[in-house]
Amino acid sequence: AQTVTQSQPEMSVQEAETVTLSCTYDTSESDYYLFWYKQPPSRQMILVIRQEAYKQQNATENRFSVNFQKAAKSFSLKISDSQLGDAAMYFCAYTPLWSNTGKLIFGQGTTLQVKP
Amino acid sequence: DVKVTQSSRYLVKRTGEKVFLECVQDMDHENMFWYRQDPGLGLRLIYFSYDVKMKEKGDIPEGYSVSREKKERFSLILESASTNQTSMYLCASSLANSPLHFGNGTRLTVT
Repeated sequence: AQTVTQSQPEMSVQEAETVTLSCTYDTSESDYYLFWYKQPPSRQMILVIRQEAYKQQNATENRFSVNFQKAAKSFSLKISDSQLGDAAMYFCAYTPLWSNTGKLIFGQGTTLQVKP
Repeated sequence: DVKVTQSSRYLVKRTGEKVFLECVQDMDHENMFWYRQDPGLGLRLIYFSYDVKMKEKGDIPEGYSVSREKKERFSLILESASTNQTSMYLCASSLANSPLHFGNGTRLTVT
């Protein structure tokens, strides 16, 4: 079975500092997508970053970057220069490449607190 | 921008009631999804639909049904609401092989 695990229920970071959120997954597929979604208090889920497993280069999006370790099945999110607006719940998610339905498997979520 | 609209932000229903959660998207997406979000469990897929009148069970379909009569609308139905269905419900839509776009969620309380 395909699973996604986020082992950190809560994290905190000082404003302007860097924080890394962890995610591991289990799959027998070789081609897949991985995602990080952000859910602020408004509850609107927002896509932060997407990684294609067949690409060795780690995806980046402004202050957000990932460390994708395919062999270790690890997909961590690094937030640099943390801002108060980054405070949210973050979800890691997976979908196999062959699934054109876009059906995602989500982790349990990590709540990030940003301290001023 | 894609807009996914869920009809209610908060809903309170009694045990045994039939409950309808409505979701509408405005971008002609083929795929639509209903997820349930619970603390410590993340999001779990209830049902999804990849075309009008087509539906497939997700990971936790028991106690739920869905309807998709028009491409833009995907309804989640609780035939007889129970207290263990108190949760946050999130609707999403997408094109094939594209990221999901989510609504703002409906927080349902069953008393």
